[in-house]
Amino acid sequence: GAVVSQHPSRVICKSGTSVKIECRSLDFQATTMFWYRQFPKQSLMLMATSNEGSKATYEQGVEKDKFLINHASLTLSTLTVTSAHPEDSSFYICSPRLAGAGGYFGPGTRLTVL
Amino acid sequence: KQEVTQIPAALSVPEGENLVLNCSFTDSAIYNLQWFRQDPGKGLTSLLLIQSSQREQTSGRLNASLDKSSGRSTLYIAASQPGDSATYLCAAVRMDSSYKLIFGSGTRLLVRP
Repeated sequence: GAVVSQHPSRVICKSGTSVKIECRSLDFQATTMFWYRQFPKQSLMLMATSNEGSKATYEQGVEKDKFLINHASLTLSTLTVTSAHPEDSSFYICSPRLAGAGGYFGPGTRLTVL
Repeated sequence: KQEVTQIPAALSVPEGENLVLNCSFTDSAIYNLQWFRQDPGKGLTSLLLIQSSQREQTSGRLNASLDKSSGRSTLYIAASQPGDSATYLCAAVRMDSSYKLIFGSGTRLLVRP
């Protein structure tokens, strides 16, 4: 199966700081990247869809100015949580699209905002 | 708007039992349906993927079925083991160019030794 990495796996930060999460597809090129978040004991909710070289499309209720997504290359996408607050504490998972195949997911990043 | 529901939300069974997890979706226009496993605090592990043209897929002790007309999928786990304890998520992939996965809320499975 496809290999996807996320960095960092876990981050703890103070309220008001910004956090960048990297997602890399290691053995395939992903033209599309999905970013999900998962609150405790809840399912994955899609935040945004990004296509390489273009602006991301955000789901309803997700603030685009708070969750900055960059998909600069076919193997790397980043999610930056700006001015993080405790309510942003969540599990963030990226999912690069491999055409014709199922969903592949990164191992996730646990964000805790104090 | 596609909505995916999973029943039951939680399930506790003794080791060795066969069990069925249910997933229903409101929009039958799906590209495929996937079942995932998630261990606590971990990412997702893909278990089975059923294309919209298929009726079922099997992998080891797992069998997943798909009935698009009724908007249902089931995951059958045979001879359950304590190591099967995890949350099981189903996700429907929309039949459009977005390839977005819409997830159900999951079933938390506990297999007791």
